[in-house]
Amino acid sequence: DSGVTQTPKHLITATGQRVTLRCSPRSGDLSVYWYQQSLDQGLQFLIQYYNGEERAKGNILERFSAQQFPDLHSELNLSSLELGDSALYFCASSARDRANTIYFGEGSWLTVV
Amino acid sequence: DAKTTQPNSMESNEEEPVHLPCNHSTISGTDYIHWYRQLPSQGPEYVIHGLTSNVNNRMASLAIAEDRKSSTLILHRATLRDAAVYYCILAHQAGTALIFGKGTTLSVSS
Repeated sequence: DSGVTQTPKHLITATGQRVTLRCSPRSGDLSVYWYQQSLDQGLQFLIQYYNGEERAKGNILERFSAQQFPDLHSELNLSSLELGDSALYFCASSARDRANTIYFGEGSWLTVV
Repeated sequence: DAKTTQPNSMESNEEEPVHLPCNHSTISGTDYIHWYRQLPSQGPEYVIHGLTSNVNNRMASLAIAEDRKSSTLILHRATLRDAAVYYCILAHQAGTALIFGKGTTLSVSS
């Protein structure tokens, strides 16, 4: 158990819909990262938040957005969903140690039909 | 960004040692070398990291070349549960995202 909690574990929704994925980082970790992993792509970095502020953006689509709340939990919002958005979405957190070790949750499996 | 190069796949037999290589010839002096592994349908799991010296923990050992341009993850006795994708990643500075490559898919046979 990494200490990073993600909900829901599984989600099935229709094209055009909007979903929200939730992540609770490890206790005390200020950084939250979101990654996407689909069958034909590797693990893609989407976005990072640090203590409520956006810190870095990766390959995140404009239809996707995220935020980190004062209690440090984070949400990833996916809108106008397409079939190609079906993937595993992982959240990770880090304590910003010098080695930059990050810890991943178990993921949220999104299926768009 | 400094990149890593790993073999696409490797095979091992149960209870034998496994040496997973990684080349990172453009590593900078402050980059940490991280290894993660991912079992099917699970999140990546931290395995080990190092900077210059060899490192051991309960999961594995990390051997780092003297010039730091390559490293080897050593699983001392492979088990079926070690079958996974192993990623070698350079961590450039604290607080930045780790960028994953394709990794090495390790198969373990009984």
